Amino acid sequence: TQLLEQSPQFLSIQEGENLTVYCNSSSVFSSLQWYRQEPGEGPVLLVTVVTGGEVKKLKRLTFQFGDARKDSSLHITAAQPGDTGLYLCAGANSPGLNNLFFGTGTRLTVIP
Amino acid sequence: DVKVTQSSRYLVKRTGEKVFLECVQDMDHENMFWYRQDPGLGLRLIYFSYDVKMKEKGDIPEGYSVSREKKERFSLILESASTNQTSMYLCASRTFRTGGSYEQYFGPGTRLTVT
Repeated sequence: TQLLEQSPQFLSIQEGENLTVYCNSSSVFSSLQWYRQEPGEGPVLLVTVVTGGEVKKLKRLTFQFGDARKDSSLHITAAQPGDTGLYLCAGANSPGLNNLFFGTGTRLTVIP
Repeated sequence: DVKVTQSSRYLVKRTGEKVFLECVQDMDHENMFWYRQDPGLGLRLIYFSYDVKMKEKGDIPEGYSVSREKKERFSLILESASTNQTSMYLCASRTFRTGGSYEQYFGPGTRLTVT
């Protein structure tokens, strides 16, 4: 089993603040995805990164894949209450279907 | 728009009952998955299917079985529900993108309580 560790586990911040969430592993991944899950709902795919060093932006969210493809970060600028949710990273590292490994998540609360 | 639907959002069953959780996707995806999600344990893969009538065990298949008779439908079966199967169950379907990466789409989840 591939271990994906996310930090912090919980984060509570004021509206307008910036934050960064980390996803780390000792394994190399061919691609990595970030999801957001709102209470009572399934995870929703935000982004997929495939190249070491790749940076993708989605409005106020910036995703980076580490050069060695073992880690990733999600940075949110000027957080909004609508950003509240559970953020999950998931890495894929080999052919075959049983190869997408999920982190345990970061639960973000943005206080108005 | 991509859509994965699950038959129930909330379900309460008694110990020993047979439970069926249904999942339907409208994206013509070949690959479908069942996960359970528990606090502190994240998402754990129960079973997956890469084609009609094909199934493979995931990381925690004990106490579960699956059925995939049609491409769009993947069912999870609890033969005899137990209290330790109380959880959030998530269905997903997956497509491959150019370049070898994946896009996985989840349903809204079924919160199952076994009493």
